[in-house]
Amino acid sequence: DIQMTQSPSSLSASVGDRLTITCRASQNIGSYLNWYQQKSGKAPKLLIYSASSLQSGVPSRFSGSGSGTDFTLSIRSLQPEDFATYYCQQTYSFHTFGQGTKLE
Amino acid sequence: QVQLQESGPGLVRPSETLSLTCTVSGGSISTYYWNWIRQPPGKGLEWVGYIRYSGSTKYNPSLKSRVTISVDTSKNEFSLKLTSVTAADTAVYYCARGNGLGAMAWDDHWGQGTLVTVAS
Repeated sequence: DIQMTQSPSSLSASVGDRLTITCRASQNIGSYLNWYQQKSGKAPKLLIYSASSLQSGVPSRFSGSGSGTDFTLSIRSLQPEDFATYYCQQTYSFHTFGQGTKLE
Repeated sequence: QVQLQESGPGLVRPSETLSLTCTVSGGSISTYYWNWIRQPPGKGLEWVGYIRYSGSTKYNPSLKSRVTISVDTSKNEFSLKLTSVTAADTAVYYCARGNGLGAMAWDDHWGQGTLVTVAS
């Protein structure tokens, strides 16, 4: 099984900050990596697919990069509505989510 | 705009079968693939499995022996059955539309989720 490890597990930030969340796969997954945002009590929302493609309607301050085993989600100029939990997901072999990064 | 809505019992007895249905509106189920994903209270997301409109399925290996996902294209809905449930199966269950091709896949539309509690 492919394991996905996100870091950090939680992160304190302020409006206007630029931040980066990391996701590491236990084996090479190419670019088969997606990022989701989940707000409390709500369903997850797709932000980035195929490692770096921005989903339609998602603000351009979100960006993704990486391939192989190491991936990052970056948020430029954090907004109040960005405080949420973020998950990475690999689809190379079955589907596996990271444990989440809570932005506080 | 495609919308998904989960339905089913909110309480299931231990050792019984959990059954949920996801109704798809605003688009045909006869394309894409269709996922079930769950989230125990206060915990992270766990992929349960998916079904393609053709009927082919793929399940989480840790749940495979207990899971069945089926599709009814005439009703534009798909369903989840999870047998022999325990308290560990208590979770919010989401249905989601899968997009992409082969392993290049992503879940771009989600239902609001439904809480299923396993308790006697």
